[in-house]
Amino acid sequence: DAKTTQPPSMDCAEGRAANLPCNHSTISGNEYVYWYRQIHSQGPQYIIHGLKNNETNEMASLIITEDRKSSTLILPHATLRDTAVYYCIVRVLNTGGFKTIFGAGTRLFVKA
Amino acid sequence: EAGVAQSPRYKIIEKRQSVAFWCNPISGHATLYWYQQILGQGPKLLIQFQNNGVVDDSQLPKDRFSAERLKGVDSTLKIQPAKLEDSAVYLCASSFRQGLNTEAFFGQGTRLTVV
Repeated sequence: DAKTTQPPSMDCAEGRAANLPCNHSTISGNEYVYWYRQIHSQGPQYIIHGLKNNETNEMASLIITEDRKSSTLILPHATLRDTAVYYCIVRVLNTGGFKTIFGAGTRLFVKA
Repeated sequence: EAGVAQSPRYKIIEKRQSVAFWCNPISGHATLYWYQQILGQGPKLLIQFQNNGVVDDSQLPKDRFSAERLKGVDSTLKIQPAKLEDSAVYLCASSFRQGLNTEAFFGQGTRLTVV
């Protein structure tokens, strides 16, 4: 089972920041938080990941709370092309190795 | 850098027929994954390879699904015989290595329709 919970959907106005929350209250100390997104009819696309420090790249910023039980993905200036399903993932170590388990994700609608 | 290649992009078959999907991961990536994504759901991991060995196939319906990665590079996923509920997008992904700090790259997937 996925170790994360996300709201099923969110709206955002074009040009505004999109803030997508994720809860991962059972995360272990050495587990990373990953974000992927999936645009219609495409495979998931890696966005960003982090352990405990905030991270930023050309696509987004990732803010992780100090207790690491939740995080927020920030798209600073959302465009219509950012409309997609966003998945927050904690990679899980089990007897078979490391697994990337997807939940249902958040469907982000960016509106003009 | 070339991405993960999958073929075919689309496939329509009748139930009880067989089908095979092919995946070519990013060059140098040791870990390869097959996922099944049913419409409206997140991807579900079917099988994970590390080089040519199976790391995890706990979610693979082994009575009808099989996968191989004989030379540790390309992989094929087969369904025999197909059922209506196998209609889904089959995604292949690869990563440079296993580990907590490594991202996976996905192909565009093969959309299978079983009629």
